[in-house]
Amino acid sequence: GAGVSQTPSNKVTEKGKYVELRCDPISGHTALYWYRQSLGQGPEFLIYFQGTGAADDSGLPNDRFFAVRPEGSVSTLKIQRTERGDSAVYLCASSTLAGVETQYFGPGTRLLVL
Amino acid sequence: TQLLEQSPQFLSIQEGENLTVYCNSSSVFSSLQWYRQEPGEGPVLLVTVVTGGEVKKLKRLTFQFGDARKDSSLHITAAQPGDTGLYLCAGGRVEGGSEKLVFGKGTKLTVNP
Repeated sequence: GAGVSQTPSNKVTEKGKYVELRCDPISGHTALYWYRQSLGQGPEFLIYFQGTGAADDSGLPNDRFFAVRPEGSVSTLKIQRTERGDSAVYLCASSTLAGVETQYFGPGTRLLVL
Repeated sequence: TQLLEQSPQFLSIQEGENLTVYCNSSSVFSSLQWYRQEPGEGPVLLVTVVTGGEVKKLKRLTFQFGDARKDSSLHITAAQPGDTGLYLCAGGRVEGGSEKLVFGKGTKLTVNP
């Protein structure tokens, strides 16, 4: 079956621009997670959805970052006024339920802010 | 704050050698997971350990969770070039009804033929 997909795979933008990153979770998975992986680091938690609602957004670095999941399936991570420090790989993961269920990761979107 | 320390950060060995990767923390975790990540891909789960002292084997890979559930190790026997990749450990912490994963920086393993 299809895994987690993320688009675009690569995104190059200029400082100050707005970007949207999309995640298509595995069909039927109710929990969806966003992580950010900077060069030489492990993934860092950003936000987690259970269904349509953001159950935990404590990892979002500041108010320039926002994520939505309006229908409980596809999610979009939105970054306003991008900064060079936002350059990283943004990973999405989904699982059948929250808790200790296995998280399945997508390939990530590589964001480069010039 | 890096809650999980992995060592070594880089490891380059010859095919057939054994190796051990360590994951240490001062915090207690509800579970400890090991992932392998290849360039351009997301992490793929290898194993989850939840009980202190637990040992799990996956072919040539042996995973151990410390008795106090603060640390873990991954041992690979007779490494092969196909084992090359970034090995990440992640500790699970239950917060607000869900388990949040805290990742280490990873160990980049290269197995030379």
